[in-house]
Amino acid sequence: DAGVTQSPTHLIKTRGQQVTLRCSPKSGHDTVSWYQQALGQGPQFIFQYYEEEERQRGNFPDRFSGHQFPNYSSELNVNALLLGDSALYLCASRRYEGETQYFGPGTRLLVL
Amino acid sequence: QKEVEQNSGPLSVPEGAIASLNCTYSDRGSQSFFWYRQYSGKSPELIMSIYSNGDKEDGRFTAQLNKASQYVSLLIRDSQPSDSATYLCAGKGSGGSYIPTFGRGTSLIVHP
Repeated sequence: DAGVTQSPTHLIKTRGQQVTLRCSPKSGHDTVSWYQQALGQGPQFIFQYYEEEERQRGNFPDRFSGHQFPNYSSELNVNALLLGDSALYLCASRRYEGETQYFGPGTRLLVL
Repeated sequence: QKEVEQNSGPLSVPEGAIASLNCTYSDRGSQSFFWYRQYSGKSPELIMSIYSNGDKEDGRFTAQLNKASQYVSLLIRDSQPSDSATYLCAGKGSGGSYIPTFGRGTSLIVHP
């Protein structure tokens, strides 16, 4: 039973560039959430997708956008990268009716 | 603003001792609480969830919830060096939305 997978594992970008991160949820899960975790901080909720729609959004600017595909996988896009966007980006999945969410291994983004 | 507060530590305990990790939360409507363990450079892993006042035990771990005091704790008995990690507390808010708010985590060091 495959868990949550994310790609790439590491990424280096420069300010102003755009980045796309990818996530495949755990088998049987249909809801995907994205989090940003800065060094020394807890994960901060970016948004959640269910049935290919953004259902909830945290306090992040419009530069952060996402998408969910019919197979429940998801992408996180960040435009006009800032130095402060450097962080670990975590994807978590769950069944819509469930309480327990599982995190993927994360994508570590460094913006120079 | 809903907040979950944790002492960042580090909390240092000798091998075999009981480690006590604490968390307070501001949203009185919070219904569910979660403890995650996060090793350095890795993603969070769910250890325990607790929904009702009182204690919940799972192996060497005991979660305690006191809704009147808005306080959650995690006890780790017979601490092992492999327990050295950051422990994240998360609370799920009221209103039917599964968007947990995370604390910044407490770093635990178990020394031989």
